Amino acid sequence: NAGVMQNPRHLVRRRGQEARLRCSPVKGHSHVYWYRQLPEEGLKFMVYLQKENIIDESGMPKERFSAEFPKEGPSILRIQQVVRGDSAAYFCASSGVRDTEAFFGQGTRLTVV
Amino acid sequence: QQQVKQSPQSLIVQKGGISIINCAYENTAFDYFPWYQQFPGKGPALLIAIRPDVSEKKEGRFTISFNKSAKQFSLHIMDSQPGDSATYFCAASTPMWNSGAGSYQLTFGKGTKLSVIP
Repeated sequence: NAGVMQNPRHLVRRRGQEARLRCSPVKGHSHVYWYRQLPEEGLKFMVYLQKENIIDESGMPKERFSAEFPKEGPSILRIQQVVRGDSAAYFCASSGVRDTEAFFGQGTRLTVV
Repeated sequence: QQQVKQSPQSLIVQKGGISIINCAYENTAFDYFPWYQQFPGKGPALLIAIRPDVSEKKEGRFTISFNKSAKQFSLHIMDSQPGDSATYFCAASTPMWNSGAGSYQLTFGKGTKLSVIP
């Protein structure tokens, strides 16, 4: 929780709308990870990004989900045409090069109505 | 498939008692095993972590025991306090080093909800 900023903290979207989640990593961290947490479940890896590159997106659903980490600005997780099943807490984590510890943000709780 | 199994799902402990949470894994390539603590409405926070080259690591009231041959590791919370009431997640990762950069994909257990009662 050391400095990873996520916004918004809570997001309500109607089915079919787009959800855009933002993550600013700890200053100096170049690695960003997105995880999804369903109620009463552990966190599930979605995607790992470095600046301007997607390194591993093996946990991302094939459709409607995308992520980016531009050279300037926060990392963005975008969910298009949201469905009720997308309702979850989405956590971003960051780490430095060769760091084993990842710091998590407080999450964005997405509710699809 | 990478998987980490955590038990119990919930745990109630008297204040001053020992809380024990267990995890088992399958992937022998895992080489980093952290425990995270999560309070309601908050993100996970790293509590303590261990690598397979040691069998035990202690930090204050928190101890990780690691059994490489059994592919199991556990968290012990000594002298449990009401403030320890939270959800605890074990995790495991296989760091991949590539061109000077590191990656850190965590596989989490499903969590244990700990309640410490006075």
